[in-house]
Amino acid sequence: DAKTTQPNSMESNEEEPVHLPCNHSTISGTDYIHWYRQLPSQGPEYVIHGLTSNVNNRMASLAIAEDRKSSTLILHRATLRDAAVYYCILRDWAGGGADGLTFGKGTHLIIQP
Amino acid sequence: DTEVTQTPKHLVMGMTNKKSLKCEQHMGHRAMYWYKQKAKKPPELMFVYSYEKLSINESVPSRFSPECPNSSLLNLHLHALQPEDSALYLCASSQLGLKNTEAFFGQGTRLTVV
Repeated sequence: DAKTTQPNSMESNEEEPVHLPCNHSTISGTDYIHWYRQLPSQGPEYVIHGLTSNVNNRMASLAIAEDRKSSTLILHRATLRDAAVYYCILRDWAGGGADGLTFGKGTHLIIQP
Repeated sequence: DTEVTQTPKHLVMGMTNKKSLKCEQHMGHRAMYWYKQKAKKPPELMFVYSYEKLSINESVPSRFSPECPNSSLLNLHLHALQPEDSALYLCASSQLGLKNTEAFFGQGTRLTVV
């Protein structure tokens, strides 16, 4: 799987927007960009994913660079509940089987009240 | 129901014990996964089941034995574990055949080997 690079940690204030970057310079044309997060003492949960266009859902927005070598997860108004480790993952799957997710180190997001 | 249920939540076992971790989902997902997560580390893939058949074993020691008795259940049988096997064990499931699908994770079983 292509590799992703994320900052080890980021800090933000409550009720402010948060931009979490991810570099994936070796991304292939068919890789989807997925984001998951893991809150303390919980299993990972899906946040959002995209291929080429920017994506929005109720949790976040995903901005994908035109060359697809980087992406940014945007939390529009962070709350204390958003404090978690955020993982940027590329899914390069072909065929009919299951591939599993390969987690990198992720970004530890700290939210200050 | 978009839930993956893992039991037990906590487990303490001796190195000579045999125990099993259980995972259940009712979303009709035909892919199921076991992950191991050590403290302050990302989850590591252990096993992947596709249509109830083992499709990926990430060189996991034989003291971990997975089983998928049907499309809703996934077990992980544990025998003769070592203290370094203490970790959070996560189960996940997803649809098959789609690159743009999400995986659902359980809350995990926190295993302590004494």
